[in-house]
Amino acid sequence: QVQLQESGPGLVKPSQTLSLTCTVSGGSISSAGYYWSWIRQHPGKGLEWIGYIYYSGSTYYKPSLRSRLTMSVDTSKNQFSLKLSSVTAADTAVYYCAREGASGWCQSWGQGTLVTVSS
Amino acid sequence: EIVLTQSPDFRSVTPKEKVTITCRASQSIGRSLHWYQQKPDQSPKLLIKDASQSFSGVPSRFSGSGSGTDFTLTIDSLEPEDAATYYCHQSGNLPETFGQGTKVEIK
Repeated sequence: QVQLQESGPGLVKPSQTLSLTCTVSGGSISSAGYYWSWIRQHPGKGLEWIGYIYYSGSTYYKPSLRSRLTMSVDTSKNQFSLKLSSVTAADTAVYYCAREGASGWCQSWGQGTLVTVSS
Repeated sequence: EIVLTQSPDFRSVTPKEKVTITCRASQSIGRSLHWYQQKPDQSPKLLIKDASQSFSGVPSRFSGSGSGTDFTLTIDSLEPEDAATYYCHQSGNLPETFGQGTKVEIK
C-alpha cells in the first residue's frame, strides 16, 4: 500500500517561494507507469490540479502556474518536490501530493498540508 | 483547458435514497473521467476510474457511467456515511481538471 506524506513550511511570506516535499513509502517512486502529482484546494473550495512529474524528471505544469512552478524528483530518497515562486495570498491552500495511474486516476493521496501566504 | 461542470451543486437526501450526480465536459474526453469522495478534513478518495470501473474496496452502491462529454455517478441506497463532497476529474486532456464538486447532505 503506497503512502504519501507532504512536508514543508505552513507559513510563507508574500513574494517568497513555497517549497513542499512529498515522501513516498510502501512503493518505489521509480515504478513505471505512475505519475506523481500536486493538487491544491483553496479554503472551502474545490480541487485544482497543479501538475505532475515522472520519475525520469519529465513534467507537465498547469499553464497558468507554469511561469512560477518547478517540480523535481529525488529517486534516491523516494521523494518529489514542488516549488512555487512569487506567492500571493491567492496561493493559500491545502496542498496534496498524489500518485496517478497511467490513465490519470489518483489512487493514493497524501493527507494534505495547509500553506498560508501571509506577512 | 477542459471545463467540467457538475450538477447539482448540492443535494439534501434521506438515507436509502438514490443519488445521481452528473459531470459534463466542455469537449470529449473519451472515458478518462474519474470520481472521488471527499469528507471534511480528509483527502479525496477514489471511487470510480475510467468512467465506470469501481476502485478496489469501494461499496457496490457506487457506480459510474458515460463517455465522451457526459458522465454520471450513481449512489444506490444512500448510507449516512456517504455524506461528502463528490468530484469528477478528467485526465483525457492536459491540463487535468476537476469539477466544482457536489455536496451531498443527509437529511
